[in-house]
Amino acid sequence: SQQGEEDPQALSIQEGENATMNCSYKTSINNLQWYRQNSGRGLVHLILIRSNEREKHSGRLRVTLDTSKKSSSLLITASRAADTASYFCATPNYGGSQGNLIFGKGTKLSVKP
Amino acid sequence: ETGVTQSPTHLIKTRGQQVTLRCSSQSGHNTVSWYQQALGQGPQFIFQYYREEENGRGNFPPRFSGLQFPNYSSELNVNALELDDSALYLCASSLGGITDTQYFGPGTRLTVL
Repeated sequence: SQQGEEDPQALSIQEGENATMNCSYKTSINNLQWYRQNSGRGLVHLILIRSNEREKHSGRLRVTLDTSKKSSSLLITASRAADTASYFCATPNYGGSQGNLIFGKGTKLSVKP
Repeated sequence: ETGVTQSPTHLIKTRGQQVTLRCSSQSGHNTVSWYQQALGQGPQFIFQYYREEENGRGNFPPRFSGLQFPNYSSELNVNALELDDSALYLCASSLGGITDTQYFGPGTRLTVL
């Protein structure tokens, strides 16, 4: 079953602008992860935020988590053409095996030079 | 530290055939998860292996089966291939645990004709 849903489905911006992607989920979680995927290849882990954290930074990435609204956002500041990729949020599947993740459909980000 | 590797990169099969995909875990990781990603979708969990035992399974039929070896490498086998099995198959390794980051391989692109 779908747990995380990203919004928007697609986003096109100019280099240097900021990109914001949102993720909503349905059940209570103890962490949420964001992954990046370039051109249908493997996923690269970006950041993990725990349920007791409200905000986390990693380089040009800022992730927020609002457990009361069951939502998270990923902000990429000063975007570059190399940031062009699909971005997925993932949450743990408590109904299945430990470590199993449930992914949304992703946000496809295009950064134009 | 060696990353997750998968073979082959691409594969073309015909309906009804059988296929075996392979994955080598990141060094020190004892848990392997397999995901199927259809075009334009997020990855869907197939199953997970922990120390050579299946540790959970998603909503996939029994013709999807797997193995994990003592060195923690893994295989995904799909029998009686159907057209809808065409997808990117991703392997991810981790130390296990519901809060753990999963490290993905580059994937195997399977096309069923």
